[in-house]
Amino acid sequence: EAQVTQNPRYLITVTGKKLTVTCSQNMNHEYMSWYRQDPGLGLRQIYYSMNVEVTDKGDVPEGYKVSRKEKRNFPLILESPSPNQTSLYFCASSLSPLQGVPYFGPGTRLTVT
Amino acid sequence: QKEVEQDPGPLSVPEGAIVSLNCTYSNSAFQYFMWYRQYSRKGPELLMYTYSSGNKEDGRFTAQVDKSSKYISLFIRDSQPSDSATYLCAMRAGSGNTPLVFGKGTRLSVIA
Repeated sequence: EAQVTQNPRYLITVTGKKLTVTCSQNMNHEYMSWYRQDPGLGLRQIYYSMNVEVTDKGDVPEGYKVSRKEKRNFPLILESPSPNQTSLYFCASSLSPLQGVPYFGPGTRLTVT
Repeated sequence: QKEVEQDPGPLSVPEGAIVSLNCTYSNSAFQYFMWYRQYSRKGPELLMYTYSSGNKEDGRFTAQVDKSSKYISLFIRDSQPSDSATYLCAMRAGSGNTPLVFGKGTRLSVIA
């Protein structure tokens, strides 16, 4: 089954404690991205990756890092989480930026206290 | 003016009603238009995908794009309680590495 998986699905952490949210896709997609979704603000892109070892900033990259060492995986790293990063996070993948449509993962609800 | 505008609702309709959801946009370079459905606590799932202007029908769902007016619509016929969700429009340009731009979503409730 074609899918995008994210782990963990729910996470409560404290300010400053580094965390990683994993994302994996089994569709051999080149393009992967991370979004955060907040009430009243909609979906905003954090980072995206065109292919292995190629990443770039989206609209709201501050406080986040990503890596793309393998085609299927695109982890999101919060080196020092802060309460304003409390949000619902989605990973998405597609064949390319201009081909196909993004498939979304199930989401990770992060709370930073 | 925001790049994509979408009325957040909430929109509440009786079962069986025809629902019309809309987005307006300002960027004339947008050529690919999508509608996603998002149930509570779930990721967005693709409903409809259209290129340029025109209509596309899939079962009870019809997507319309009017590029001259920079206006897209999603119609849901014979709405069901299971259609209750947030509907997000999304669009992108036809070239370059421009990302997908989302509307903020319209929350729909279909009442049995």
